[in-house]
Amino acid sequence: DSGVTQTPKHLITATGQRVTLRCSPRSGDLSVYWYQQSLDQGLQFLIHYYNGEERAKGNILERFSAQQFPDLHSELNLSSLELGDSALYFCASSVDLSDTQYFGPGTRLTVL
Amino acid sequence: DQQVKQNSPSLSVQEGRISILNCDYTNSMFDYFLWYKKYPAEGPTFLISISSIKDKNEDGRFTVFLNKSAKHLSLHIVPSQPGDSAVYFCAAPASGGSYIPTFGRGTSLIVHP
Repeated sequence: DSGVTQTPKHLITATGQRVTLRCSPRSGDLSVYWYQQSLDQGLQFLIHYYNGEERAKGNILERFSAQQFPDLHSELNLSSLELGDSALYFCASSVDLSDTQYFGPGTRLTVL
Repeated sequence: DQQVKQNSPSLSVQEGRISILNCDYTNSMFDYFLWYKKYPAEGPTFLISISSIKDKNEDGRFTVFLNKSAKHLSLHIVPSQPGDSAVYFCAAPASGGSYIPTFGRGTSLIVHP
């Protein structure tokens, strides 16, 4: 158990809908990262927050947004969902800005 | 542009033998590397790391070697066990002021009993 929690574990929705994925980092970790893993693909970095502020953006679509709250949990919002958004979404946390990241179990999103 | 590359998508090894997983990088500003292990339907688990000030780091059956001049690192697993069967990712968590972590595409290791 990495100490990072993600909810929900599974999510099935329809095209055009909007969903919110939630992540709680390890106690004491200030950094939260979001990744997408599509079938047979590696981990695609989406976005990084540190202590409530956005620090880096990767290949994140404009339909996706994220935030980190004062209690350090983070939410990833996916809107106008398309079939191609079906993937595993992982959250990771680390103590500092460039430290070892610890991953949650992931949220499997299926868009029908 | 893939700054961290794992050119072997899969590797098959006999139990008890050595597994060698390779990783190449292009950005000379990377100064810290990580290996993660991932089982299906689970999140990646941190395995071992190495700083650019070292050329080797060992943890039990796992050893990571770093060749800075060749921009190459490798993960050695000795002896390999069936429970080591997983996907292994090489990663550079940050590079010279940029906090964009970069992961390789992963190598799927299968250890046969």
